[in-house]
Amino acid sequence: ETGVTQSPTHLIKTRGQQVTLRCSSQSGHNTVSWYQQALGQGPQFIFQYYREEENGRGNFPPRFSGLQFPNYSSELNVNALELDDSALYLCASSGDTGELFFGEGSRLTVL
Amino acid sequence: QKEVEQNSGPLSVPEGAIASLNCTYSDRGSQSFFWYRQYSGKSPELIMFIYSNGDKEDGRFTAQLNKASQYVSLLIRDSQPSDSATYLCVMDSSYKLIFGSGTRLLVRP
Repeated sequence: ETGVTQSPTHLIKTRGQQVTLRCSSQSGHNTVSWYQQALGQGPQFIFQYYREEENGRGNFPPRFSGLQFPNYSSELNVNALELDDSALYLCASSGDTGELFFGEGSRLTVL
Repeated sequence: QKEVEQNSGPLSVPEGAIASLNCTYSDRGSQSFFWYRQYSGKSPELIMFIYSNGDKEDGRFTAQLNKASQYVSLLIRDSQPSDSATYLCVMDSSYKLIFGSGTRLLVRP
């Protein structure tokens, strides 16, 4: 149990739709990162937020966007969904030590 | 070339044996490396981190780092069936972690 909670745990969307995934960080953690894990692959870094500002981004198109709120919870938004967006989306929070604590993920299926 | 390379496996070892998991990385400037374990359908969990050349031991786990060869390994002694999982080799690249695709370990009772 890491104290990082994500919702929803599973969801199904169709191509072209939009999705919002949510993450509640572990208490005291001011940094949140989002990763995409396709089946059989390792997690791929999407972006990171620190105190409500994006401070790092991976190789993902602009239709992947995020927010971090004053309570350090976070959202990942994906517009114009594509079939290849089907994956497990992992949120991880970290504090001063830098160690990442992962939530259990949101499994997105795009049909 | 992938930034972190791992053999996908599966690596099958009998219970009680030593499991040896390896990875190579491309960025000579990377300083920190991690091993995460991921059970099927679950999120990754940190097992060990290593910053310095040489060995680092924690219980049944030993991480080894060779920066000259750009090589990281994880040894699991006295392997147990509960160790069966995918092991992810991870490189710290400033603000992000770069994961390998993982090696699946099967420990046979």
